[in-house]
Amino acid sequence: NAGVTQTPKFQVLKTGQSMTLQCAQDMNHNSMYWYRQDPGMGLRLIYYSASEGTTDKGEVPNGYNVSRLNKREFSLRLESAAPSQTSVYFCASSPARGDSPLHFGNGTRLTVT
Amino acid sequence: RKEVEQDPGPFNVPEGATVAFNCTYSNSASQSFFWYRQDCRKEPKLLMSVYSSGNEDGRFTAQLNRASQYISLLIRDSKLSDSATYLCVATGYGGATNKLIFGTGTLLAVQP
Repeated sequence: NAGVTQTPKFQVLKTGQSMTLQCAQDMNHNSMYWYRQDPGMGLRLIYYSASEGTTDKGEVPNGYNVSRLNKREFSLRLESAAPSQTSVYFCASSPARGDSPLHFGNGTRLTVT
Repeated sequence: RKEVEQDPGPFNVPEGATVAFNCTYSNSASQSFFWYRQDCRKEPKLLMSVYSSGNEDGRFTAQLNRASQYISLLIRDSKLSDSATYLCVATGYGGATNKLIFGTGTLLAVQP
């Protein structure tokens, strides 16, 4: 019963490098989300996908791109990493759009030097 | 003003104590409210939804006050294992208004 699986768990990048954070859910949920969590800022929505084939910007989308590959998978890409993107990233899913509780993955701790 | 505001704490309480957290939200159109629990360096996990009539789950009671736009969480008979950060969540503004907005969390430390 995996739920939401994120990879990798930890990553260190140099400024300007790119990487993709992977997320997959096995709960047949329609909606998927990417959040970042920083001290004192709480969880902030980067991008979300209400359903397969759609993606929308959240509160802090700059510097990120996403792909909803299929119903199960939602990836987050950093094209040119910056130190300001050092954060903990959480993927989440929910059965329906917005109002339903979210199920979170374990998180990815990213450091950009 | 933040859309969802919480007292960051920490709340240091002895085992067995009753503790209450409040959270205010700015979007009067918010329809859905939740409390999540987050342990140190872990992902947030749903603790309970908050219903208009108030609801209880064991030692935990959640209340919603729409007139004053706040929700509360009451924990009775605190256990050491209740030590965590509690996140208040409400549906927020945006192009799609049905997005969840998280507060920054209230830290609870239950002391033996």
